[in-house]
Amino acid sequence: NAGVMQNPRHLVRRRGQEARLRCSPMKGHSHVYWYRQLPEEGLKFMVYLQKENIIDESGMPKERFSAEFPKEGPSILRIQQVVRGDSAAYFCASSPATGQGNTIYFGEGSWLTVV
Amino acid sequence: SQQGEEDPQALSIQEGENATMNCSYKTSINNLQWYRQNSGRGLVHLILIRSNEREKHSGRLRVTLDTSKKSSSLLITASRAADTASYFCATNTNAGKSTFGDGTTLTVKP
Repeated sequence: NAGVMQNPRHLVRRRGQEARLRCSPMKGHSHVYWYRQLPEEGLKFMVYLQKENIIDESGMPKERFSAEFPKEGPSILRIQQVVRGDSAAYFCASSPATGQGNTIYFGEGSWLTVV
Repeated sequence: SQQGEEDPQALSIQEGENATMNCSYKTSINNLQWYRQNSGRGLVHLILIRSNEREKHSGRLRVTLDTSKKSSSLLITASRAADTASYFCATNTNAGKSTFGDGTTLTVKP
């Protein structure tokens, strides 16, 4: 049973380009979460999705950032027109359901560097 | 302030000593979880404690939860150099998402 798979592990983009980060949840998990981690900081919640639905996007910047979790395929976090401040580690996590007692499992992260 | 704030920010101890990290939070929770993160890696789930539990053990880890004080502690006994990592607490509410603090960086010197 593979864990949460994220790719790419490392991504370098020039300012103004687009970054696409992919996340395949653990088998049987229908809930996906995206977090961002700046150097020396904790994880900051960005968005919570179920299949074909965005449940909570309160942590997503209003512009340039979007996320989807289609019926088929991985969840995608898309950052348009990247700026240097977008450089961070982006972590995806998944869980079978929400509520008490459900652990969320993290992928190894995607490190975005904007040059 | 954000939910789930750990202290101290950094902790340095000798191998064999115990390490204690604390986490405070603001709102009512369903459960609280502790994670470890090695440099450049993802988060590894260590232990989950529910709001109706007061203490939980897993190997060399002991977690306590005091809902009246809205705080939790993680104790690592007989530390090893391999325990060197950052440790985060995360709180869960009915909203479904986990909210993390900024973590405690633990260094265990051999």
